Amino acid sequence: GDSVTQMEGPVTLSEEAFLTINCTYTATGYPSLFWYVQYPGEGLQLLLKATKADDKGSNKGFEATYRKETTSFHLEKGSVQVSDSAVYFCALRGSNYQLIWGAGTKLIIKP
Amino acid sequence: EAEVAQSPRYKITEKSQAVAFWCDPISGHATLYWYRQILGQGPELLVQFQDESVVDDSQLPKDRFSAERLKGVDSTLKIQPAELGDSAMYLCASSLGAGGSYEQYFGPGTRLTVT
Repeated sequence: GDSVTQMEGPVTLSEEAFLTINCTYTATGYPSLFWYVQYPGEGLQLLLKATKADDKGSNKGFEATYRKETTSFHLEKGSVQVSDSAVYFCALRGSNYQLIWGAGTKLIIKP
Repeated sequence: EAEVAQSPRYKITEKSQAVAFWCDPISGHATLYWYRQILGQGPELLVQFQDESVVDDSQLPKDRFSAERLKGVDSTLKIQPAELGDSAMYLCASSLGAGGSYEQYFGPGTRLTVT
């Protein structure tokens, strides 16, 4: 069945560092891909999405490109801030429209 | 901005007791989801409603869990009896529809601790 694998955390970086959180997927057909963020004590928020191959989703300085050839949707940000500290989830929505989630990656940004 | 409301935010209960969670979706959202999120894992869909009808409850442990959305608006998820393994975050989400173009909006969740 469909699945999502993302890098284990925690990922600890200094402020202004470059961020990459890896996400790969297994799916039949052409899923839509998502990154969600969960700040401490809050619910999940959609960060960005891409619905077809080579699409780039972007929001709040974060970017991810839908790479069908490598079945990947890695999350990147050029300069992280302390306020980016959160748990990031990669997810796909397949042919049955249900979301399949990765395990989440905790990001810690130190000033 | 409209939000999904959930209550309570935190619940501590003893095993074998009954517990209930409430969710009020964004107004006009026909589709409502209940997820369970175990610490360190991604959310797992428990049940999906379209209006007042259950669309998918294949992952709902029906011997102890029940969910209803009687008027197609707010929803209640119940566990009876609670077990230690039920300790988790219970998330509610809603969307305008169930199709692929509709974004799911999440509530803040209810953190359940079973002792």
